[in-house]
Amino acid sequence: GIQVEQSPPDLILQEGANSTLRCNFSDSVNNLQWFHQNPWGQLINLFYIPSGTKQNGRLSATTVATERYSLLYISSSQTTDSGVYFCAGNTNYGQNFVFGPGTRLSVLP
Amino acid sequence: DAGVTQSPTHLIKTRGQQVTLRCSPKSGHDTVSWYQQALGQGPQFIFQYYEEEERQRGNFPDRFSGHQFPNYSSELNVNALLLGDSALYLCASSEDRDSTNEQFFGPGTRLTVL
Repeated sequence: GIQVEQSPPDLILQEGANSTLRCNFSDSVNNLQWFHQNPWGQLINLFYIPSGTKQNGRLSATTVATERYSLLYISSSQTTDSGVYFCAGNTNYGQNFVFGPGTRLSVLP
Repeated sequence: DAGVTQSPTHLIKTRGQQVTLRCSPKSGHDTVSWYQQALGQGPQFIFQYYEEEERQRGNFPDRFSGHQFPNYSSELNVNALLLGDSALYLCASSEDRDSTNEQFFGPGTRLTVL
């Protein structure tokens, strides 16, 4: 199965700072999603982005499918952005949805 | 538009017992997947149900079994519980006809095995 790497594993920011989170896949994926897991464990959908660029408010994401990586940008971070960010995807060959290990973000006031 | 719901929220069991977790998919979705998330790790795929059949399975022992009902809701059963089964169990739903296969997750059931 595919392998998913995320970097950095941990990130501490001051409120208002910008950040970039990265996700690398070992194989091509046809479904790539970014999630934010809040402190209560709920996985919140941020982006469905197998290729291209999308923006939603202060968040944006870019996937370069040919190079098998995706980036999540957070601008003007707020304390409510704290939590764990996961990327996940599956390949053209099946439905098994594979998650990365996550990036733990802490935004300090 | 009702999202994915799971019950119960929390559960405490002892080793050797059996547990059943429940999931109702998002309105309009027909496919349910289950994941186990251990503390500090990403979710791991257990299995997926579509048309009341197990369609795919991850690397989990036969102690983990499931069921999907005609209304698309699903159950996850775990037999002979081990301490290592303590985790957050997440259910996700999607629509099979949707080419994106975008997954939507429920709030999870936190299982503690003592």
